[in-house]
Order: sequence, then C-alpha cells, then structure tokens
Amino acid sequence: GAGVSQSPSNKVTEKGKDVELRCDPISGHTALYWYRQSLGQGLEFLIYFQGNSAPDKSGLPSDRFSAERTGGSVSTLTIQRTQQEDSAVYLCASSLGQRGSGFGPGTRLTVL
Amino acid sequence: EDQVTQSPEALRLQEGESSSLNCSYTVSGLRGLFWYRQDPGKGPEFLFTLYSAGEEKEKERLKATLTKKESFLHITAPKPEDSATYLCAVQNTGFQKLVFGTGTRLLVSP
Repeated sequence: GAGVSQSPSNKVTEKGKDVELRCDPISGHTALYWYRQSLGQGLEFLIYFQGNSAPDKSGLPSDRFSAERTGGSVSTLTIQRTQQEDSAVYLCASSLGQRGSGFGPGTRLTVL
Repeated sequence: EDQVTQSPEALRLQEGESSSLNCSYTVSGLRGLFWYRQDPGKGPEFLFTLYSAGEEKEKERLKATLTKKESFLHITAPKPEDSATYLCAVQNTGFQKLVFGTGTRLLVSP
C-alpha cells in the first residue's frame, strides 16, 4: 500500500518568511509524529498526534512552530518567521498501535 | 532524561566481514527499543522492535538483541547493499515519542 508522503520535498525560503510542510500518513494509522533531523544530529521529536486526543507538543522548540491534524489524517507543520537554525530535514511518521512507525521521505528546509 | 548512544559512529567492512553495532540506552521505563535503517536522502525504514531483555529478532543478514542496558545489531556476511545509516531509538513507557541516537554509518565494500 501507499506509504507516508510529504510535500514539498525541498523548500528554500528567506529568513523571516513563514513555511508550511504537509504530511499524508498511511491510511488508517491513528498516530502521527513530526521529527526533524539536522546534519550530524539524531532525529529530534517535535509533536505527536493520536486520534482525537490533545497532541503532545512537548518537542516544539519555540512558539514559532505549530502543527495541526485535520480529520485525523493530513497534518501540516507551520514555522513562522523562519530562522537559519530552522534549516533541517523535517520527517513525518505514522503508526498503528505499537508497531514501528513508517516514515515519509522528509522535507528538506533551507532558510537563507 | 532518556538517552541513546550509538557506536561506532562509522564502520567500514569488507563484503562478508561480519560485525556488530552497539546501542547503549538509559530510560526510566522501556516500552520498546527500535532499529531503523536510513539511506541517504530518504526517511528511516523500520527494521525491528524489541520489548524485553533477552529478546532477539532476525531479518535476512540482520539480528537484533537486547539487554537491560544495550542492544546490538549483528550483521552477518554483509553485502554492499547493506550500506546505510542504522538508527536506534527507545520509547519510554510514559510517552509515545521515540528518542533516537545519532546513528552508525555503515559502508560495505565489495
């Protein structure tokens, strides 16, 4: 079946601009995660959605970051007033129960 | 705070030369330990989940084992197509997020 998809695959933006990153999870998966991966560093947890429960936002690095998940499916990660340190690969993953998450290919964000 | 340390950072093997990757972890309560493979420019690909000390899982040339403090990913007679970065992660019983290590970059030469 179809895996997790993300768009765009690459995004170049200027410092101070807002960006939106999209994630389409695997159909039927109730859990959705956002991580980011910076060069030479491990994956860093950002936010977790599970069904209709309140999301776990404990990993969001600042209030410039926000995410929503509409209809229990598609999710959008928004970064306002982007900074150069926001440059990274943003990865989305979804899972069902305790199975290992399926990851999308990521969005490479470059802030100039 | 939950932590994961992977070693070595990089490993170069000849085709057929077996070896092991290490993942040391500290976690207040382990729900699961995960191994992923990541190819350049792609998202991580799920390999295994281990839940309790003594558990082992195998897939082709890969075998993952778990103790109370570390996990090993054993690679038997590797092939060039096994070249990738291998990531280890832990999930705490109190949370859903995964805490990842920085990975081991494996290069298998023909």
